[in-house]
Amino acid sequence: SQTIHQWPATLVQPVGSPLSLECTVEGTSNPNLYWYRQAAGRGLQLLFYSVGIGQISSEVPQNLSASRPQDRQFILSSKKLLLSDSGFYLCAWSPGTGNTGELFFGEGSRLTVL
Amino acid sequence: GEDVEQSLFLSVREGDSSVINCTYTDSSSTYLYWYKQEPGAGLQLLTYIFSNMDMKQDQRLTVLLNKKDKHLSLRIADTQTGDSAIYFCAEWGGSYIPTFGRGTSLIVHP
Repeated sequence: SQTIHQWPATLVQPVGSPLSLECTVEGTSNPNLYWYRQAAGRGLQLLFYSVGIGQISSEVPQNLSASRPQDRQFILSSKKLLLSDSGFYLCAWSPGTGNTGELFFGEGSRLTVL
Repeated sequence: GEDVEQSLFLSVREGDSSVINCTYTDSSSTYLYWYKQEPGAGLQLLTYIFSNMDMKQDQRLTVLLNKKDKHLSLRIADTQTGDSAIYFCAEWGGSYIPTFGRGTSLIVHP
């Protein structure tokens, strides 16, 4: 069966420090991969999605970046965090073939920037 | 672009039925979804309905789809305190990216 893991679960970082959140999917090949952010009390904001290795689409201009160095690995990064980067970050995947729009989410990473 | 709207809050008493409503704009929506998010966790799929269906029932959950009015609802029968969560409506029209609503916070009072 397919599983998705993201880490770390909780992160407290000072303003201006770098960020790296990692997400891996197991049990499937060539998945579509997504990074969402959920600010407190608000909905989901799609940040990046990827349909293949090295293929990244950015939905929102910001100081974040994403990379997909391997088929089932998706990394969210920042060189210098801002206070406004605080939030709950969710990684998700969908099948690369036979996609019906259903997303499978990780457990989330809570980032607090101080 | 596509849009999905849902009310932000719903408060019900334990044992009552909850109805969470959602409207969408994409007339080419193929699948419509309901996800549940418990505090501090990711989203989990609750149920879905294909666009050529009017209703789908799964134990305490009933999904109604009015395609003409682009209206989707989720009814939870005999609501329990464990049902307290955020419920997201989402639609998919064939692209890589489903469109999510902002989520409805369901609060269940004992």
